[in-house]
Amino acid sequence: NAGVTQTPKFQVLKTGQSMTLQCAQDMNHEYMSWYRQDPGMGLRLIHYSVGAGITDQGEVPNGYNVSRSTTEDFPLRLLSAAPSQTSVYFCASSLTGRTEAFFGQGTRLTVV
Amino acid sequence: QQQVKQSPQSLIVQKGGISIINCAYENTAFDYFPWYQQFPGKGPALLIAIRPDVSEKKEGRFTISFNKSAKQFSLHIMDSQPGDSATYFCAAPQQTGANNLFFGTGTRLTVIP
Repeated sequence: NAGVTQTPKFQVLKTGQSMTLQCAQDMNHEYMSWYRQDPGMGLRLIHYSVGAGITDQGEVPNGYNVSRSTTEDFPLRLLSAAPSQTSVYFCASSLTGRTEAFFGQGTRLTVV
Repeated sequence: QQQVKQSPQSLIVQKGGISIINCAYENTAFDYFPWYQQFPGKGPALLIAIRPDVSEKKEGRFTISFNKSAKQFSLHIMDSQPGDSATYFCAAPQQTGANNLFFGTGTRLTVIP
Protein backbone atom coordinates (compact mmCIF):
# COMPACT_ATOMS: atom_id res chain seq x y z
CA ASN A 1 0.00 0.00 0.00
CA ALA A 2 1.77 3.15 -1.22
CA GLY A 3 -0.30 5.71 0.75
CA VAL A 4 0.47 9.28 -0.34
CA THR A 5 3.13 9.65 -3.02
CA GLN A 6 4.76 12.97 -3.86
CA THR A 7 7.03 13.71 -6.78
CA PRO A 8 9.65 15.03 -7.18
CA LYS A 9 11.48 14.74 -3.85
CA PHE A 10 13.83 17.62 -4.65
CA GLN A 11 13.62 20.48 -7.13
CA VAL A 12 15.59 23.63 -7.90
CA LEU A 13 13.84 26.34 -9.88
CA LYS A 14 14.90 29.69 -11.20
CA THR A 15 12.84 32.73 -10.32
CA GLY A 16 9.92 33.04 -12.73
CA GLN A 17 9.80 29.39 -13.75
CA SER A 18 6.65 27.35 -13.30
CA MET A 19 6.28 23.76 -12.20
CA THR A 20 3.82 21.23 -10.87
CA LEU A 21 4.26 19.21 -7.70
CA GLN A 22 2.51 15.89 -8.01
CA CYS A 23 0.51 14.16 -5.27
CA ALA A 24 -1.30 10.85 -5.55
CA GLN A 25 -3.04 8.69 -2.95
CA ASP A 26 -4.35 5.15 -3.26
CA MET A 27 -6.57 5.06 -0.17
CA ASN A 28 -9.72 6.45 -1.82
CA HIS A 29 -9.65 9.47 0.49
CA GLU A 30 -11.97 12.37 -0.26
CA TYR A 31 -9.97 15.00 1.61
CA MET A 32 -6.61 16.18 0.29
CA SER A 33 -4.47 19.16 1.26
CA TRP A 34 -1.21 20.89 0.49
CA TYR A 35 0.97 22.39 3.25
CA ARG A 36 4.28 24.16 3.24
CA GLN A 37 6.75 23.79 6.09
CA ASP A 38 9.18 26.55 6.95
CA PRO A 39 11.58 26.65 9.91
CA GLY A 40 9.93 27.92 13.08
CA MET A 41 6.50 28.23 11.45
CA GLY A 42 5.07 24.73 11.55
CA LEU A 43 2.99 23.66 8.59
CA ARG A 44 0.71 26.13 6.83
CA LEU A 45 -2.19 25.20 4.58
CA ILE A 46 -1.94 26.29 0.96
CA HIS A 47 -5.01 24.72 -0.72
CA TYR A 48 -7.35 21.87 0.05
CA SER A 49 -10.03 19.71 -1.54
CA VAL A 50 -12.99 17.87 -0.02
CA GLY A 51 -13.64 15.82 -3.16
CA ALA A 52 -13.10 15.61 -6.89
CA GLY A 53 -13.95 18.91 -8.55
CA ILE A 54 -13.94 20.87 -5.27
CA THR A 55 -11.01 22.98 -4.12
CA ASP A 56 -10.57 25.95 -1.83
CA GLN A 57 -7.87 28.24 -0.49
CA GLY A 58 -6.03 27.83 2.77
CA GLU A 59 -3.88 30.24 4.79
CA VAL A 60 -1.19 30.96 2.18
CA PRO A 61 -2.64 30.41 -1.33
CA ASN A 62 -0.97 33.24 -3.25
CA GLY A 63 1.25 32.05 -6.09
CA TYR A 64 -0.23 28.53 -6.15
CA ASN A 65 -3.01 26.82 -8.09
CA VAL A 66 -4.62 23.44 -7.63
CA SER A 67 -7.16 21.24 -9.38
CA ARG A 68 -8.81 17.95 -8.43
CA SER A 69 -10.05 16.09 -11.48
CA THR A 70 -9.87 12.64 -9.84
CA THR A 71 -10.11 11.33 -6.27
CA GLU A 72 -6.52 10.06 -6.44
CA ASP A 73 -4.58 13.09 -7.69
CA PHE A 74 -4.13 16.62 -6.34
CA PRO A 75 -1.36 18.51 -8.15
CA LEU A 76 0.00 21.84 -6.91
CA ARG A 77 1.11 24.35 -9.53
CA LEU A 78 3.57 27.16 -8.95
CA LEU A 79 2.75 29.78 -11.54
CA SER A 80 5.88 31.94 -11.40
CA ALA A 81 8.34 30.77 -8.77
CA ALA A 82 9.74 33.28 -6.26
CA PRO A 83 12.51 32.83 -3.66
CA SER A 84 9.82 33.17 -0.94
CA GLN A 85 8.40 29.86 -2.17
CA THR A 86 11.55 28.03 -1.11
CA SER A 87 10.14 25.49 1.34
CA VAL A 88 9.29 21.87 1.97
CA TYR A 89 5.88 20.98 0.57
CA PHE A 90 3.69 18.23 1.97
CA CYS A 91 0.57 16.69 0.54
CA ALA A 92 -1.89 14.98 2.89
CA SER A 93 -5.08 12.97 2.57
CA SER A 94 -7.73 11.74 4.98
CA LEU A 95 -10.91 9.72 4.86
CA THR A 96 -13.08 12.21 6.74
CA GLY A 97 -12.78 15.61 8.34
CA ARG A 98 -11.86 14.21 11.75
CA THR A 99 -9.66 11.21 10.97
CA GLU A 100 -5.95 10.72 10.56
CA ALA A 101 -4.27 12.78 7.87
CA PHE A 102 -1.65 10.76 5.99
CA PHE A 103 1.27 12.80 4.73
CA GLY A 104 3.58 12.21 1.82
CA GLN A 105 7.38 12.30 2.16
CA GLY A 106 7.55 15.90 1.01
CA THR A 107 9.11 17.87 -1.83
CA ARG A 108 12.03 20.14 -1.00
CA LEU A 109 11.86 23.12 -3.36
CA THR A 110 14.56 25.73 -3.74
CA VAL A 111 13.96 28.84 -5.85
CA VAL A 112 17.08 30.73 -6.83
CA GLN B 1 -1.88 35.23 14.19
CA GLN B 2 -0.98 31.77 15.39
CA GLN B 3 -4.20 29.84 15.99
CA VAL B 4 -2.46 27.18 18.03
CA LYS B 5 0.42 28.27 20.26
CA GLN B 6 2.94 25.59 21.14
CA SER B 7 5.75 25.51 23.70
CA PRO B 8 8.56 24.88 24.28
CA GLN B 9 10.36 25.26 20.99
CA SER B 10 12.91 22.64 22.00
CA LEU B 11 13.19 20.13 24.81
CA ILE B 12 16.00 17.92 26.05
CA VAL B 13 15.09 15.01 28.31
CA GLN B 14 17.08 12.17 29.82
CA LYS B 15 16.17 8.64 28.84
CA GLY B 16 13.40 7.41 31.12
CA GLY B 17 12.19 10.90 31.92
CA ILE B 18 8.86 12.57 31.14
CA SER B 19 8.55 14.91 28.16
CA ILE B 20 5.78 17.51 28.31
CA ILE B 21 4.72 19.71 25.39
CA ASN B 22 1.99 22.30 25.73
CA CYS B 23 -0.45 23.90 23.32
CA ALA B 24 -3.04 26.65 23.73
CA TYR B 25 -5.83 27.78 21.43
CA GLU B 26 -8.44 30.53 21.29
CA ASN B 27 -11.17 29.24 18.99
CA THR B 28 -13.75 27.36 21.08
CA ALA B 29 -15.18 25.85 17.88
CA PHE B 30 -12.17 23.56 17.55
CA ASP B 31 -13.41 20.01 18.11
CA TYR B 32 -10.46 17.77 17.35
CA PHE B 33 -6.89 18.00 18.64
CA PRO B 34 -4.30 15.71 17.05
CA TRP B 35 -0.60 15.48 17.76
CA TYR B 36 1.79 14.67 14.93
CA GLN B 37 5.33 13.31 15.13
CA GLN B 38 7.89 14.08 12.45
CA PHE B 39 11.31 12.54 11.94
CA PRO B 40 13.94 14.33 9.82
CA GLY B 41 13.30 13.94 6.11
CA LYS B 42 9.86 12.42 6.65
CA GLY B 43 6.30 13.66 6.59
CA PRO B 44 4.37 14.11 9.84
CA ALA B 45 2.53 11.07 11.17
CA LEU B 46 -0.40 11.01 13.56
CA LEU B 47 0.66 10.09 17.09
CA ILE B 48 -2.51 10.50 19.12
CA ALA B 49 -5.66 12.65 19.00
CA ILE B 50 -8.38 13.78 21.41
CA ARG B 51 -11.83 15.33 21.20
CA PRO B 52 -12.94 17.96 23.74
CA ASP B 53 -15.55 15.71 25.37
CA VAL B 54 -12.79 13.84 27.25
CA SER B 55 -10.08 15.22 29.53
CA GLU B 56 -7.42 12.60 28.90
CA LYS B 57 -6.46 9.97 26.36
CA LYS B 58 -3.65 7.48 26.76
CA GLU B 59 -2.00 5.28 24.16
CA GLY B 60 0.99 3.38 25.47
CA ARG B 61 3.57 5.87 26.73
CA PHE B 62 1.78 8.82 25.14
CA THR B 63 -0.98 10.78 26.91
CA ILE B 64 -2.94 13.85 25.88
CA SER B 65 -4.36 15.96 28.70
CA PHE B 66 -7.10 18.38 27.70
CA ASN B 67 -8.33 21.36 29.71
CA LYS B 68 -11.36 22.79 27.95
CA SER B 69 -11.91 25.72 30.33
CA ALA B 70 -8.30 26.85 29.97
CA LYS B 71 -8.25 26.09 26.24
CA GLN B 72 -5.06 24.12 26.62
CA PHE B 73 -3.91 20.63 25.79
CA SER B 74 -0.63 18.89 26.36
CA LEU B 75 1.31 15.82 25.28
CA HIS B 76 3.08 13.73 27.90
CA ILE B 77 5.63 11.13 26.87
CA MET B 78 6.37 8.79 29.74
CA ASP B 79 9.62 6.82 29.98
CA SER B 80 11.06 8.85 27.09
CA GLN B 81 13.38 6.90 24.77
CA PRO B 82 16.06 8.04 22.29
CA GLY B 83 13.78 6.78 19.52
CA ASP B 84 11.25 9.43 20.56
CA SER B 85 13.66 12.15 19.42
CA ALA B 86 11.66 13.97 16.77
CA THR B 87 9.67 17.14 16.19
CA TYR B 88 6.15 17.17 17.63
CA PHE B 89 3.29 19.31 16.37
CA CYS B 90 -0.07 19.98 17.96
CA ALA B 91 -2.91 20.91 15.63
CA ALA B 92 -6.58 21.84 15.41
CA PRO B 93 -9.00 21.80 12.47
CA GLN B 94 -9.53 24.99 10.51
CA GLN B 95 -13.22 24.46 9.88
CA THR B 96 -16.10 22.14 10.44
CA GLY B 97 -16.28 19.25 8.01
CA ALA B 98 -12.75 19.56 6.72
CA ASN B 99 -9.55 18.04 7.97
CA ASN B 100 -7.45 21.10 7.27
CA LEU B 101 -5.30 21.78 10.23
CA PHE B 102 -3.81 24.75 12.00
CA PHE B 103 -0.44 23.51 13.23
CA GLY B 104 1.62 24.72 16.15
CA THR B 105 5.17 25.79 15.43
CA GLY B 106 6.62 22.50 16.63
CA THR B 107 8.77 21.21 19.50
CA ARG B 108 12.07 19.52 18.77
CA LEU B 109 12.52 16.79 21.37
CA THR B 110 15.92 15.26 22.05
CA VAL B 111 16.12 12.30 24.41
CA ILE B 112 19.63 11.77 25.75
CA PRO B 113 20.65 8.13 26.40
